[in-house]
Order: sequence, then structure tokens, then C-alpha cells
Amino acid sequence: DAGVIQSPRHEVTEMGQEVTLRCKPISGHDYLFWYRQTMMRGLELLIYFNNNVPIDDSGMPEDRFSAKMPNASFSTLKIQPSEPRDSAVYFCASSYSRGKNYEQYFGPGTRLTVT
Amino acid sequence: DAKTTQPPSMDCAEGRAANLPCNHSTISGNEYVYWYRQIHSQGPQYIIHGLKNNETNEMASLIITEDRKSSTLILPHATLRDTAVYYCIVSYGNNRLAFGKGNQVVVIP
Repeated sequence: DAGVIQSPRHEVTEMGQEVTLRCKPISGHDYLFWYRQTMMRGLELLIYFNNNVPIDDSGMPEDRFSAKMPNASFSTLKIQPSEPRDSAVYFCASSYSRGKNYEQYFGPGTRLTVT
Repeated sequence: DAKTTQPPSMDCAEGRAANLPCNHSTISGNEYVYWYRQIHSQGPQYIIHGLKNNETNEMASLIITEDRKSSTLILPHATLRDTAVYYCIVSYGNNRLAFGKGNQVVVIP
């Protein structure tokens, strides 16, 4: 398997623009997680899905952020409108609830810069 | 979830065992200890987890004290590629991992 795939790897946008980050989890995994990492706040869980259903979105910073998982192989994290303080690395991870270790497999991340 | 305390950084000699400590004095009976690491510019990587017993896999060993208030991750033969931030996390399950600041481990030649 190719692992968790995220696109784009880098995104530079201007304040006020809409940003869409994409994630393809590992095939067969039933959990999907979105994280954000900054120097100030470290690695934070934003939202996670189980079987395509959002379970906990308490980490989503505000209404400008939304996440969807229309099917088991695709998820998006959208920021509209974007602000400079949204600049961060966004990671997607997936896991398999019946796996031996329940480990989360992380993607390479999307580095977002909002100017 | 219980909080963990790790040293902010440590150096290890290449080829020697690296012992990474973690305190979790408020851990509950059914909380697991997870270890992940993050190599620069990459996503975090799972290493190992345990509940009560010591655990070993191809990457590392996890030693949990009998009272479960602390644990040690052991990298048996540290290599330069083990330089990373290591996170000790205590959680009921794998779905809400609070990563904290971690321990920046530098393996020195």
C-alpha cells in the first residue's frame, strides 16, 4: 500500500481565499484523523471520522474550518476564508480498529502558508 | 487523558542503547501508554504501546513500572536515523492522542 496520501504537499495562498486539503487513507482503514501542527501549539487533533462519519470535531478551531468524508477513500479539510494564523502543517492519519496495534498511520502532511 | 512529562531534549551515542523516560503519575487503570516519534518534516510514526506488561517489537522495547506511573522507551542500538522528537502519550484508546511537546532526541556519531 502507498500509505496515507495527502495533496497538495505545499500550498501558498492569500488571506481570504478558500483552501482545500485532501487525504486518501490507507485502504481498509475505518478511522481517519486530521491534525494541525504549529510551533506554538504543537500537534493538535482537529477532527476524526469512523466509517466516514464525523465522531469528534471539538478540535476544529472555528466555523471557517470544515471537514468531509464522502467515502472510505477520500476526505477533505476546507478553510474558508483562510487567515495568516491558519499557516501550519496539516496531517491526515488513518487507522484500522481491528488491527493489532490500533496504530495511526500519518501522511506526509500539507504545509499551508497564508499570506 | 492523563498528562505525561518528558525531558525536552537528550543526546544519545550512536550504537548505544537510548533510554527515553516518561512520567505519567495520574494514569488510570485502563489507559495505555503509546510512543510515537516524528522525524523532521515527516508525519509521526507509531513505535509501540503497552498497558501493564513490558512490550518489545522490532523498533523498541517499552518498560512500564509496576505502579504504571512511569515508563521507559528503549532503542536498543541507536542510529543517526533515530534522531527525532519522541512523544509519550497516555490514552484510553488510539482515537484521542494528545501529543504534547515531546523529547527531542539527537543521536550523536
